[in-house]
Amino acid sequence: DAGVTQSPTHLIKTRGQQVTLRCSPKSGHDTVSWYQQALGQGPQFIFQYYEEEERQRGNFPDRFSGHQFPNYSSELNVNALLLGDSALYLCASSATGTSQETQYFGPGTRLLVL
Amino acid sequence: GEDVEQSLFLSVREGDSSVINCTYTDSSSTYLYWYKQEPGAGLQLLTYIFSNMDMKQDQRLTVLLNKKDKHLSLRIADTQTGDSAIYFCAEHGSSNTGKLIFGQGTTLQVKP
Repeated sequence: DAGVTQSPTHLIKTRGQQVTLRCSPKSGHDTVSWYQQALGQGPQFIFQYYEEEERQRGNFPDRFSGHQFPNYSSELNVNALLLGDSALYLCASSATGTSQETQYFGPGTRLLVL
Repeated sequence: GEDVEQSLFLSVREGDSSVINCTYTDSSSTYLYWYKQEPGAGLQLLTYIFSNMDMKQDQRLTVLLNKKDKHLSLRIADTQTGDSAIYFCAEHGSSNTGKLIFGQGTTLQVKP
């Protein structure tokens, strides 16, 4: 049973560019959440997708957008990259409707903005 | 408000017990979680506790919850060098769906 997978593993971009990160949830999960983890910090919630819609959003600007596909996989898009967007981007999947909706994380995509 | 706080660093000798502490602010949190992160890796779920429980034990791990003081702890018995990692405490936001709110993480160093 595959866990949460993310691609790519690493990415280098320059300021002003746009980036798309991808996530496939754990088998049986229908909900995908995205987090940003800056160096030395805990993960910060960006948003969550369920039924192909953004269900909840954290305190991130509109430059951060996402999408969920009918197969439950998800993309995170970041436009007009800033140096401060350099971080580990983590995807987590869960099953809505279960008692605790535990989130399981992927290995992350490390983004470096130069 | 929603905030989770942890001490930043803990050093123990191999074979000793480790206790990692966490305080949180959202009294409506139903579930609280402990995750482990090894260098360059994602987060691994270690265990979780439901808010109506005081304690949960899972092999070498013991979670204690003091809901009155909003204090959560993770005890690792017989700590091994492979336990060296960053440990994150997390609570669900007040809606109990959606976002997890994480602490800054406690770096556990295990000396042989």
